[in-house]
Amino acid sequence: DIQMTQSPSTLSASVGDRVTIACRASQSISSWMAWYQQKPGKAPKLLIYKASSLESGVPSRFSGSGSGTEFTLTIYSLQPDDFATYYCQQYYSYSPYTFGQGTKLEIK
Amino acid sequence: QLQLQELGPGLVKPSETLSLTCTVSGGSINSSSYYWGWIRQPPGKGLEWIGDIYYSGSTYYNPSLRSRVTISVDTSKNQFSLKLSSVTAADTAVYYCARHFVAHGYTPYYFDYWGQGTLVTVSS
Repeated sequence: DIQMTQSPSTLSASVGDRVTIACRASQSISSWMAWYQQKPGKAPKLLIYKASSLESGVPSRFSGSGSGTEFTLTIYSLQPDDFATYYCQQYYSYSPYTFGQGTKLEIK
Repeated sequence: QLQLQELGPGLVKPSETLSLTCTVSGGSINSSSYYWGWIRQPPGKGLEWIGDIYYSGSTYYNPSLRSRVTISVDTSKNQFSLKLSSVTAADTAVYYCARHFVAHGYTPYYFDYWGQGTLVTVSS
């Protein structure tokens, strides 16, 4: 299995801050990476695919980068609606598809 | 607007079979651009992919669950279903169905639409 490791596990920030969440793959996955946002009691929502492509309707303050084994999700100018848990997912290998353990973004 | 809705019992006894159905509305399951998948999330924990199915019946399963999982599709009802056998307390989770985008000739990529999820508790 390809292991996905996110850091940090928890992140405290304020409205207006810029935050970065990292995701490391246990082997190269090229750019086959997606990012999701999940709020309590809700399903995950796709934000980014192919490492840096913004899903339709997602605000431009969300940005993804990276390739190979190192990836980042950056949120520019945090908004109150952005406090949630974020997951990365690799789709380089379907055996199996794997997610990171999640990063909880909290209000400072 | 595409919508997915999971339905099934919220309580299953240990050793029995968990059965869920996902109904797709606002779009057809008969699309060459998508697989249809199941993902679960134990309370307070992360996401685990269970498996996918294509409208033709082709499937991908998580190797860790393969021996216990069956995913099927009913295109006439625009539905797909999950069966997980021999459940234990470790299978207690919120179960999501989702649409899994696939580019022509490739394996599926990312999940772009999700159902709201349904909590299934395994307990006697």
